[in-house]
Amino acid sequence: DIQMTQSPSSLSASVGDRVTITCRASQSISRYLVWYQQKPGKAPNLLIYSASSLQSGVSSRFSGSGSGTDFTLTISSLQPEDFATYYCQQSYILPLTFGGGTKVEIK
Amino acid sequence: EVQLLESGGGWVQPGGSLRLSCATSGFSFSNYGMSWVRQAPGMGLEWVSGISGSGTVTSYSDSVKGRFTISRDDSKSTLYLQMDSLRDEDTALYYCAKDLEPCSSAICYERGHDYWGQGSLVTVSS
Repeated sequence: DIQMTQSPSSLSASVGDRVTITCRASQSISRYLVWYQQKPGKAPNLLIYSASSLQSGVSSRFSGSGSGTDFTLTISSLQPEDFATYYCQQSYILPLTFGGGTKVEIK
Repeated sequence: EVQLLESGGGWVQPGGSLRLSCATSGFSFSNYGMSWVRQAPGMGLEWVSGISGSGTVTSYSDSVKGRFTISRDDSKSTLYLQMDSLRDEDTALYYCAKDLEPCSSAICYERGHDYWGQGSLVTVSS
């Protein structure tokens, strides 16, 4: 199975900050990378697919980049509603596998 | 409006069985692959199983292979997960999720899952 490693596991940031989360795959997954946001007590919400394609209805302050084994999710200007846990997931091959998550907290 | 609603969770002893259901509406169910994803308390996400829109292609994680069976009833727009030989480590909130892209002959997981249910809690404990 492909292992997905996210860093950091948590971070503290202020409203308006630029935030970057990193995801690394244990082997090349081309651009088959998905990002989800999950708020407490809620189901995950699809943010980005194919490494950099923004899901319909998602704010343009979210962006994704990368290919091969290294990927990033960037929030250009953190808003109060962005405090949540973010997961990357490889969509290259079954079984689908997720990173361990990055919890974004208020500083 | 797309809706997914899981049911069937509960408490069961180790070795027991449960069947989860995911009733859907608001989209052409038979055109989309579906998955089950679980989340143990306080932990991350784990993909469990997926099924193609046609129902002919299924896949499982190693942790549940041989114990869980995914199926679908297109006449009822409902997805199922039969869980047998349950273990303590199967305790989790189980979500059903819809593939972003329509695809009947395969599990088209490449672009992720755009709609999720609210989850059904399964507790395995003696």
